[in-house]
Amino acid sequence: DGGITQSPKYLFRKEGQNVTLSCEQNLNHDAMYWYRQDPGQGLRLIYYSQIVNDFQKGDIAEGYSVSREKKESFPLTVTSAQKNPTAFYLCASTHGQSYEQYFGPGTRLTVT
Amino acid sequence: GESVGLHLPTLSVQEGDNSIINCAYSNSASDYFIWYKQESGKGPQFIIDIRSNMDKRQGQRVTVLLNKTVKHLSLQIAATQPGDSAVYFCAEKGFQGAQKLVFGQGTRLTINP
Repeated sequence: DGGITQSPKYLFRKEGQNVTLSCEQNLNHDAMYWYRQDPGQGLRLIYYSQIVNDFQKGDIAEGYSVSREKKESFPLTVTSAQKNPTAFYLCASTHGQSYEQYFGPGTRLTVT
Repeated sequence: GESVGLHLPTLSVQEGDNSIINCAYSNSASDYFIWYKQESGKGPQFIIDIRSNMDKRQGQRVTVLLNKTVKHLSLQIAATQPGDSAVYFCAEKGFQGAQKLVFGQGTRLTINP
């Protein structure tokens, strides 16, 4: 089956620790995206990457970092500099020049 | 700045009735719009999209209407079912040529039995 996978579904960390969220797609999509969603809120763009080895900051990139070493993978690191890291994180991808994004199932991160 | 907003954050309808979810957008030059459905704890799923050269597009039980004059988008769901309960987001193509979407806040649709 083709699709986007995010792991784990739930993640718990202590404050001050960095944590990396996984996003993998086997759709052969070029562009990938990371969003943050807080309860009752919409999606806010953290980072996006349109090609391998290149990525751009979204609206709320502070405290986050990404890499795009492979087309299939776009991991997101939530650093200790992120003031309020507890949220639902969504990864998406899109093919070619399309704007229709395919979403993964999300990772719920809780930092205490 | 970029923004896509919704008129109502919540909507309750009776099962079997039609639902209309509204969305206002800010960029008059935007030429592509998309609706997503998000069930609790899951990632958003594509419902339907529309380009600015169209006023209306129909899918299975859903219709999207675009009024460019007032920068308004709506999603109509016919004969709503319990499985339609979810949060619905509209989004428009991002500005400045980047391949990204700008999402609205979302509307929570609740279906009453």
